[in-house]
Amino acid sequence: GAVVSQHPSRVICKSGTSVKIECRSLDFQATTMFWYRQFPKKSLMLMATSNEGSKATYEQGVEKDKFLINHASLTLSTLTVTSAHPEDSSFYICSAREIGATNEKLFFGSGTQLSVL
Amino acid sequence: RKEVEQDPGPFNVPEGATVAFNCTYSNSASQSFFWYRQDCRKEPKLLMSVYSSGNEDGRFTAQLNRASQYISLLIRDSKLSDSATYLCVVNIGNRGSGGGADGLTFGKGTHLIIQP
Repeated sequence: GAVVSQHPSRVICKSGTSVKIECRSLDFQATTMFWYRQFPKKSLMLMATSNEGSKATYEQGVEKDKFLINHASLTLSTLTVTSAHPEDSSFYICSAREIGATNEKLFFGSGTQLSVL
Repeated sequence: RKEVEQDPGPFNVPEGATVAFNCTYSNSASQSFFWYRQDCRKEPKLLMSVYSSGNEDGRFTAQLNRASQYISLLIRDSKLSDSATYLCVVNIGNRGSGGGADGLTFGKGTHLIIQP
């Protein structure tokens, strides 16, 4: 089946540093990828939609300058948390939808646990 | 009322027992429904879609009640490996219908613990 690779799986960094997370669709092309954040015991919250070849679309309340998204190809989207602070510590997950597929074909990456000290 | 609401649990259930939990949704225009399973600090994985006619996959049965706006998940003969958080996910369509860009709204999940 389709696989979405996400790495790193875990990052521990100092406050003020930037962290890049990669999301790759391994055996299918995705014009659209999604980035989510999940705090402990909370639901997945959509942060932004990554669109291949164009600017990302951010959900209300998500700072676009804080969370930089680049979708340079049909198989790769990156999320950069800039100047990370302890409150950015969370579980970040990406998902990708195969071109032409329905919602049932939404595949998730394995997630990245970010801990900012 | 929250868009998608679940009892967070935890549900502590002995191995071999049957367990069921519900999820309610507020948007009557919701189009499709799913149950996902999520293990601790792992990605959600699609367990099953939920159809109006109800559907069954092995030990798992999902039901949809549009009139009362809830979906249910029944697990029979529970196994230790069923211990996880079960997410109710509702597709309420495009942004114009109030959904996110991915059209999905996730519940907070129901934590299930199967005990030996």
